Amino acid sequence: EAGVAQSPRYKIIEKRQSVAFWCNPISGHATLYWYQQILGQGPKLLIQFQNNGVVDDSQLPKDRFSAERLKGVDSTLKIQPAKLEDSAVYLCASSPISDRANSGYTFGSGTRLTVV
Amino acid sequence: AQSVTQLDSQVPVFEEAPVELRCNYSSSVSVYLFWYVQYPNQGLQLLLKYLSGSTLVKGINGFEAEFNKSQTSFHLRKPSVHISDTAEYFCAVSFKAAGNKLTFGGGTRVLVKP
Repeated sequence: EAGVAQSPRYKIIEKRQSVAFWCNPISGHATLYWYQQILGQGPKLLIQFQNNGVVDDSQLPKDRFSAERLKGVDSTLKIQPAKLEDSAVYLCASSPISDRANSGYTFGSGTRLTVV
Repeated sequence: AQSVTQLDSQVPVFEEAPVELRCNYSSSVSVYLFWYVQYPNQGLQLLLKYLSGSTLVKGINGFEAEFNKSQTSFHLRKPSVHISDTAEYFCAVSFKAAGNKLTFGGGTRVLVKP
């Protein structure tokens, strides 16, 4: 089975610019997650989707971050405007069922964002 | 508040020596526990998970972990490491009251020396 696809792999932008990341989850996976991993730290959940609805976005900085999952498949995460502290790896993950905590995640390779 | 703590940020170890990575969590509800490995410039790969039953869990690549409910710990071990085990390791917890959301520890970087 194909894994979770993310693009681009790397992105360098100047502060105050905007950027978008794309994620294609494993086929049939209802739940999709975006995590932010700052260098030297563990991943932190930004947003969780169940199909095309948001389940949890409590840690998403909504003044600058937005995410959508149209049609319940692919997802995009956008930052506008970017700040220096947004430099991180953005990981996308998917899982088949959201109401079973043992279902496990499959992670993509991530997008490494550098804001200069 | 529910949290995950990995007590060692970096663990240097010689090849073929054993290694133990420590993980503690705080929670007032039941949990599921996971260990993930992250190789350079790659995503996270599941090593093993504890859901229920036997407290000793065996995973891929010769790793195992033991769940200790009284000490709220889930330490990861490998009896003999290889150079290829050099990576970052993350302990993660899913709190049953919070659905399927994973909370990660800060990570432990393992550096295997020849």
